[in-house]
Amino acid sequence: DQQVKQNSPSLSVQEGRISILNCDYTNSMFDYFLWYKKYPAEGPTFLISISSIKDKNEDGRFTVFLNKSAKHLSLHIVPSQPGDSAVYFCAASAETSGTYKYIFGTGTRLKVLA
Amino acid sequence: NAGVTQTPKFQVLKTGQSMTLQCAQDMNHEYMSWYRQDPGMGLRLIHYSVGAGITDQGEVPNGYNVSRSTTEDFPLRLLSAAPSQTSVYFCASSYGGANQPQHFGDGTRLSIL
Repeated sequence: DQQVKQNSPSLSVQEGRISILNCDYTNSMFDYFLWYKKYPAEGPTFLISISSIKDKNEDGRFTVFLNKSAKHLSLHIVPSQPGDSAVYFCAASAETSGTYKYIFGTGTRLKVLA
Repeated sequence: NAGVTQTPKFQVLKTGQSMTLQCAQDMNHEYMSWYRQDPGMGLRLIHYSVGAGITDQGEVPNGYNVSRSTTEDFPLRLLSAAPSQTSVYFCASSYGGANQPQHFGDGTRLSIL
């Protein structure tokens, strides 16, 4: 059972416009949510995160929104740039009994058109 | 500062062969983990470790073994390779705590014939 879901496998956006990537989760015990970006032939790199006690976190062009009641988070990129073209993964984690693990979604491939 | 180093980068195995994928980090990170990436499946957690001497199973642990004898190293062993284990494998590490971002290696592309 997929605990973290990214239902849009791909997304195309015009340069300068907003990109919105979505992520849904099923486990209400998740405490933290993280977004990663992955270019081909490279490992994922961390972008931005949010704690479950917040509903928004912003870092430059990147903003993550969390709706706990809907078990939904989204990553907004404004303005989108061609260099943002990559696969984006959301991940969630929960700490229980001194241990924790990160569960990733299936990813969304973003293409920013020049 | 090398970060997370994975070796080898590419490997082709025959069914039934054994192999160890190496992962080393030089950031003194407590947490290390292994993922596999398959088309349409995202990154799936194989095994993870919250510190030296401690390992635990992730989402897809069958067919894989791990050990964590030092903070720096977290090797992944395939005891008897199967075609279903053809994948790209990523190792990651982070400081302790569920809110810490992970640093990933560049991956090992493994093909099992």
